[in-house]
Amino acid sequence: GQQLNQSPQSMFIQEGEDVSMNCTSSSIFNTWLWYKQDPGEGPVLLIALYKAGELTSNGRLTAQFGITRKDSFLNISASIPSDVGIYFCAGRRTPSGSRLTFGEGTQLTVNP
Amino acid sequence: DVKVTQSSRYLVKRTGEKVFLECVQDMDHENMFWYRQDPGLGLRLIYFSYDVKMKEKGDIPEGYSVSREKKERFSLILESASTNQTSMYLCASGGQGKGYTFGSGTRLTVV
Repeated sequence: GQQLNQSPQSMFIQEGEDVSMNCTSSSIFNTWLWYKQDPGEGPVLLIALYKAGELTSNGRLTAQFGITRKDSFLNISASIPSDVGIYFCAGRRTPSGSRLTFGEGTQLTVNP
Repeated sequence: DVKVTQSSRYLVKRTGEKVFLECVQDMDHENMFWYRQDPGLGLRLIYFSYDVKMKEKGDIPEGYSVSREKKERFSLILESASTNQTSMYLCASGGQGKGYTFGSGTRLTVV
């Protein structure tokens, strides 16, 4: 099945640093979502984006829906140890569709 | 608070056993999904259902079946468990056009 191209695959950063990750696709998506998975848990929705160019924040997290509708990025500012986990992007091809396509995830490690 | 509940956090089963993984959601969502997650392979869709008694194959359905007799419950069945089915299994539910809510996962070990 189709996968989104998510990068980087892993990041090792120091506490306090900013983080950026992104997802790209050859296809247009109508919805972009970003999830975080804590170790041993299921993914939890962080941010949902529904319009091209949309920029949305959730605390220290900011995500954008690319103008071309083929990409999205997630930024985390001033990282803290509890930011550790796997971050997944996900996209939906049709506005009312049910099925999401997921990226392969970015494993984030934050050193205190 | 919306919830997706998976019946077991950890399971150990023997090769050849029939295994049932249960998932219940309390959000009245039409759509429910089963994924498996393995290191380096991301989330891979096994099966999904968009209505009671309806099911669709995902990307890796071989060796699995599903059952959805009630809207709130979606079961994943391993007809004859094999060691290559050792994995983390995640259930999710979602309304039309909305994001998914995931359960906490079941870590299955087949020995």
